[in-house]
Amino acid sequence: AQSVTQLDSQVPVFEEAPVELRCNYSSSVSVYLFWYVQYPNQGLQLLLKYLSGSTLVKGINGFEAEFNKSQTSFHLRKPSVHISDTAEYFCAVSEDTGGFKTIFGAGTRLFVKA
Amino acid sequence: KAGVTQTPRYLIKTRGQQVTLSCSPISGHRSVSWYQQTPGQGLQFLFEYFSETQRNKGNFPGRFSGRQFSNSRSEMNVSTLELGDSALYLCASSWGTREQFFGPGTRLTVL
Repeated sequence: AQSVTQLDSQVPVFEEAPVELRCNYSSSVSVYLFWYVQYPNQGLQLLLKYLSGSTLVKGINGFEAEFNKSQTSFHLRKPSVHISDTAEYFCAVSEDTGGFKTIFGAGTRLFVKA
Repeated sequence: KAGVTQTPRYLIKTRGQQVTLSCSPISGHRSVSWYQQTPGQGLQFLFEYFSETQRNKGNFPGRFSGRQFSNSRSEMNVSTLELGDSALYLCASSWGTREQFFGPGTRLTVL
């Protein structure tokens, strides 16, 4: 069965500093990988996705992630964060078995300090 | 194009009651998935419907059920509510690219 582990529950960082949010997954079949962001009292918004092809994926708001199949990781990075990036970030995996059964990690709360 | 809409946005029920939540997907999207989000358990997959058929199911008791109509709108029902059912229920729609578009959610409080 697939699973997703987000290694940090909270990540405090100063404004304009770089950040990396870590995500590892487990699956016995091909997977599709996603990062979503959730602002308070809102639904989830897709930041970026890996479906196939290049392992370096660029998303919205300056975020990017790298798919590493050998390490089963999909870490999210941003070279310079802003106060407005403060939110909850979720890594998710969907197995290539038909349908959209997506499993989410527990989330990482990114807190950007001035 | 209008986004995913969920109604109602907020709901208060008492234990033992039942509740029905509604989700209208983005026009043209045929897949609708439901998730439960709680502080303790995080985001958990409930079920997915595609063309009026349940295609995937999570590990929830039979009190949680859903259906999808011919216009792709979906409803989920929770019977015999328990305190632990208090959560944000999120609906997401997709048309086949594996990218899911989420609605704002329905916050259910069970007293």
